[in-house]
Amino acid sequence: KQEVTQIPAALSVPEGENLVLNCSFTDSAIYNLQWFRQDPGKGLTSLLLIQSSQREQTSGRLNASLDKSSGRSTLYIAASQPGDSATYLCAVVNAGGTSYGKLTFGQGTILTVHP
Amino acid sequence: ETGVTQTPRHLVMGMTNKKSLKCEQHLGHNAMYWYKQSAKKPLELMFVYNFKEQTENNSVPSRFSPECPNSSHLFLHLHTLQPEDSALYLCASSQGLRRGPGYEQYFGPGTRLTVT
Repeated sequence: KQEVTQIPAALSVPEGENLVLNCSFTDSAIYNLQWFRQDPGKGLTSLLLIQSSQREQTSGRLNASLDKSSGRSTLYIAASQPGDSATYLCAVVNAGGTSYGKLTFGQGTILTVHP
Repeated sequence: ETGVTQTPRHLVMGMTNKKSLKCEQHLGHNAMYWYKQSAKKPLELMFVYNFKEQTENNSVPSRFSPECPNSSHLFLHLHTLQPEDSALYLCASSQGLRRGPGYEQYFGPGTRLTVT
């Protein structure tokens, strides 16, 4: 059974810092990995999707890397801003079986960026 | 309306009530999903519909009954719920899962359900 772990559970940094969020998964047979952002009481916003054949994706100040063989992904946020404060979720879609489209989520990292 | 919408945004119901959650996607997708997010637990997939056919039921109790009348609409019918069913219920959509599961999922804002 796939399990996704995110470290740290919470992170508090001053504005302007570069930071790294970590995600690991136990079964390396995945189709893709997706990073989401969730603001309090709100739905999820997709940030980046990395297909299993890719090693990284970039969008603005965000860069996500994927090392499928070791079961790890990192989300790098450059020059953090108070508006980046949110919960960041990592999720994978398993390859094989019949569970098409099934995302397995980590518990998230709660990020707070202080002005 | 754009993206994925959900109504109502908040719902309080008693254990003997019957209510329904509605999800609508305006993205031209053919796959829709229900997820449950409880406090201090990871998001859990409940149901998947692909081209209006249910393809996944993640061992969900029968007091939750999904309905997908067309590719744009998804309902979750609720009856005789328990207080532990209180959670944020999220709907998502993606391209149809015809050639593979690796499509990006887009989420709605969720319905905050409280069962009293």
